[in-house]
Amino acid sequence: AQSVTQLGSHVSVSEGALVLLRCNYSSSVPPYLFWYVQYPNQGLQLLLKYTTGATLVKGINGFEAEFKKSETSFHLTKPSAHMSDAAEYFCAVKGTQGGSEKLVFGKGMKLTVNP
Amino acid sequence: EPEVTQTPSHQVTQMGQEVILRCVPISNHLYFYWYRQILGQKVEFLVSFYNNEISEKSEIFDDQFSVERPDGSNFTLKIRSTKLEDSAMYFCASSDRRTSGNTIYFGEGSWLTVV
Repeated sequence: AQSVTQLGSHVSVSEGALVLLRCNYSSSVPPYLFWYVQYPNQGLQLLLKYTTGATLVKGINGFEAEFKKSETSFHLTKPSAHMSDAAEYFCAVKGTQGGSEKLVFGKGMKLTVNP
Repeated sequence: EPEVTQTPSHQVTQMGQEVILRCVPISNHLYFYWYRQILGQKVEFLVSFYNNEISEKSEIFDDQFSVERPDGSNFTLKIRSTKLEDSAMYFCASSDRRTSGNTIYFGEGSWLTVV
């Protein structure tokens, strides 16, 4: 079974500061990993995903994440926060074996960007 | 950009009533999903649907729930007799093929309130 841990529920950064949103996963099989973002009153939008290959993955809006198997982590970063990054961010995992299609989500992290 | 659309955006219903949530997946997609998020909790997988049948369902998806693709474009979730604990945001999603790393596209959600 897979699970995702996003510690805490809220992160606040200043505009221009580094954004770091942590995600740790548990999976008995090699995982596929995803970050989704939900802007206010909108649906879940894919930011980036790791499937195979390069462990540093670049996504939209300047975000990137690095898959670290040894640490079972897939932390999301952005060098410089923008006001428009204020949203809720969800890490998710999907197994690569067994045919399951379901995404297992973390609880989400609400990002506030202060001027 | 193609998107998954959901109706209604918000529905209030009395306990015991039947509810149908509607979704129009992205037009060339073949795999369809429902997820839900109870306020303050994780986004949870409910069911996946392919080739006019359920391919996977969670333990949440009991006999109270059903899904249907009544025509070539719509995908519906029916809750037969709603309970207070069914109050949640329900997300419809779709993807174009069954590879584990494939992106799942989500709609904006239907917020269901059971009173």
